[in-house]
Amino acid sequence: NAGVMQNPRHLVRRRGQEARLRCSPVKGHSHVYWYRQLPEEGLKFMVYLQKENIIDESGMPKERFSAEFPKEGPSILRIQQVVRGDSAAYFCASSPYLAGEGYNEQFFGPGTRLTVL
Amino acid sequence: KNEVEQSPQNLTAQEGEFITINCSYSVGISALHWLQQHPGGGIVSLFMLSSGKKKHGRLIATINIQEKHSSLHITASHPRDSAVYICAVSSNTGNQFYFGTGTSLTVIP
Repeated sequence: NAGVMQNPRHLVRRRGQEARLRCSPVKGHSHVYWYRQLPEEGLKFMVYLQKENIIDESGMPKERFSAEFPKEGPSILRIQQVVRGDSAAYFCASSPYLAGEGYNEQFFGPGTRLTVL
Repeated sequence: KNEVEQSPQNLTAQEGEFITINCSYSVGISALHWLQQHPGGGIVSLFMLSSGKKKHGRLIATINIQEKHSSLHITASHPRDSAVYICAVSSNTGNQFYFGTGTSLTVIP
């Protein structure tokens, strides 16, 4: 079974461009989480999605960031008009369980390292 | 104040030493997780526990729910154990995951 896949692994963008990060969860998992790890900082929760639903986006910056998890295909984290401060590692994790209703072990992807020039 | 605090931040050990990393948290949790992040950046889930103790090879994780404290122990440490170890908790009041800032472990041959 394949684990969580993320692509691209490395992404370079110039200021003002758009960044699209993809996450394919473990087969059969219907819940996806996105986390950001800024340089020299710990992981921070961004958003929790179920297929076609955003469950919790309390960690998402109010502007320029959006996430989706369509019925078919990978989850997408989209950053519009990127700025240097968006440079970070973005990790996706998937879970087979609904958070808050029991143990929710998460399986992490390898991350996408975004560099904004 | 962070919801999850880890200590120490950095740890250097000689090969073979017994290592302990501590984690304290301040929120109600449904589970506590220990993660390992290697220099390449990938994250691996080591343990998920909500009570007692779990063991996997040379790794042992314990949790004391009353004291809101967990420890990760590594017996007979090896240079390949060098990594950042992250404590994370899943809140029992919502969907949040809170992470500690990690403990950077270096094991010297």
